[in-house]
Amino acid sequence: GQNIDQPTEMTATEGAIVQINCTYQTSGFNGLFWYQQHAGEAPTFLSYNVLDGLEEKGRFSSFLSRSKGYSYLLLKELQMKDSASYLCAVLDSNYQLIWGAGTKLIIKP
Amino acid sequence: GAVVSQHPSRVICKSGTSVKIECRSLDFQATTMFWYRQFPKQSLMLMATSNEGSKATYEQGVEKDKFLINHASLTLSTLTVTSAHPEDSSFYICSARYGGDYGYTFGSGTRLTVV
Repeated sequence: GQNIDQPTEMTATEGAIVQINCTYQTSGFNGLFWYQQHAGEAPTFLSYNVLDGLEEKGRFSSFLSRSKGYSYLLLKELQMKDSASYLCAVLDSNYQLIWGAGTKLIIKP
Repeated sequence: GAVVSQHPSRVICKSGTSVKIECRSLDFQATTMFWYRQFPKQSLMLMATSNEGSKATYEQGVEKDKFLINHASLTLSTLTVTSAHPEDSSFYICSARYGGDYGYTFGSGTRLTVV
């Protein structure tokens, strides 16, 4: 079966750095997405990785290792507004998005 | 660019009635629209995939007669929850692929409450 694992919840301090991990087992791979979702709102796009390595975009970076079936989202200089759920999703061989359950990130002052 | 407008954002309906949710692509043609349901503290669950001009493909366990999907044009897809029951209360989100591997955009979601 297809499976995406990410931690259920994480807590971090304002101004700090946090890394959210995602491991996946899917039938084929056509890329991995990270989305941010605030409570009661739709997800918003953060990043897309299809090649191994680190993609940096401002305070957010995303890393992919296809051989390990592993990705992480790195958030730097955390702000209170970063409190949200972060969803990892993999595009499988049929170009269907397989979603993780999301990681709820709590930022404390 | 690549905006999907979803309406209504919130709806409360009585048990047994039907509710229609609309998703419109405002600045692109959405040949494929994905409909998701999300229960509290859970991830997105794909309900069905609709393609313009053809019948929707439903995921296993999703009742096609209960969740009617119409994708009559390249800019409009609708989801109708028929004979709604309290257990249908959920957050419904549409998503369209607008091109390339990056191109998935989401509607703002509809919070459905059936009383």
